[in-house]
Amino acid sequence: KQEVTQIPAALSVPEGENLVLNCSFTDSAIYNLQWFRQDPGKGLTSLLLIQSSQREQTSGRLNASLDKSSGRSTLYIAASQPGDSATYLCALSGGSYIPTFGRGTSLIVHP
Amino acid sequence: DAGVTQSPTHLIKTRGQQVTLRCSPKSGHDTVSWYQQALGQGPQFIFQYYEEEERQRGNFPDRFSGHQFPNYSSELNVNALLLGDSALYLCASSLGTGQYEQYFGPGTRLTVT
Repeated sequence: KQEVTQIPAALSVPEGENLVLNCSFTDSAIYNLQWFRQDPGKGLTSLLLIQSSQREQTSGRLNASLDKSSGRSTLYIAASQPGDSATYLCALSGGSYIPTFGRGTSLIVHP
Repeated sequence: DAGVTQSPTHLIKTRGQQVTLRCSPKSGHDTVSWYQQALGQGPQFIFQYYEEEERQRGNFPDRFSGHQFPNYSSELNVNALLLGDSALYLCASSLGTGQYEQYFGPGTRLTVT
């Protein structure tokens, strides 16, 4: 069974800071890892998808890395803005287990 | 390009009743997955449909059932509702069942009283 842990559970930072959100998992036999953003009471917005053969993906101010050997992924957010305030979730898909989400990191960026 | 759509947006039901939620996948997608998200938790996988068959199932009782139609849209049915079924129900679509990116709909908020 895949276990996914996200640290920290909550984060409050001033605008402009660079951030690192962590996602760790127990089973390295994954198809892919996907990072999502969720605003309160809303659906999930896909941010980045990393296939199991890839090490990182970048989109604008976001960079996600994947290290299967250590069971870790990080989401780096550069120059954070108040509009980045949301919950960030990582999810793993694999052949031997069901798609599994972490509980998320709740981010607040204050002006 | 239409994204994933879900209906209804909100729903209030009484304990013991039955409910049906609907999902239309993103254009070009053939796989639909359903998730339950309780407040403060990550989404929990209910099941996945591909080619009109249930392909994977999470740890949910048989009260939760589904269907996929030839046009790839899907329904989630929950029978004998319990107070604990109150949650945000999310639908996700993808192309294929394995390594492809999932796109989520806005969700249906179900409240059981």
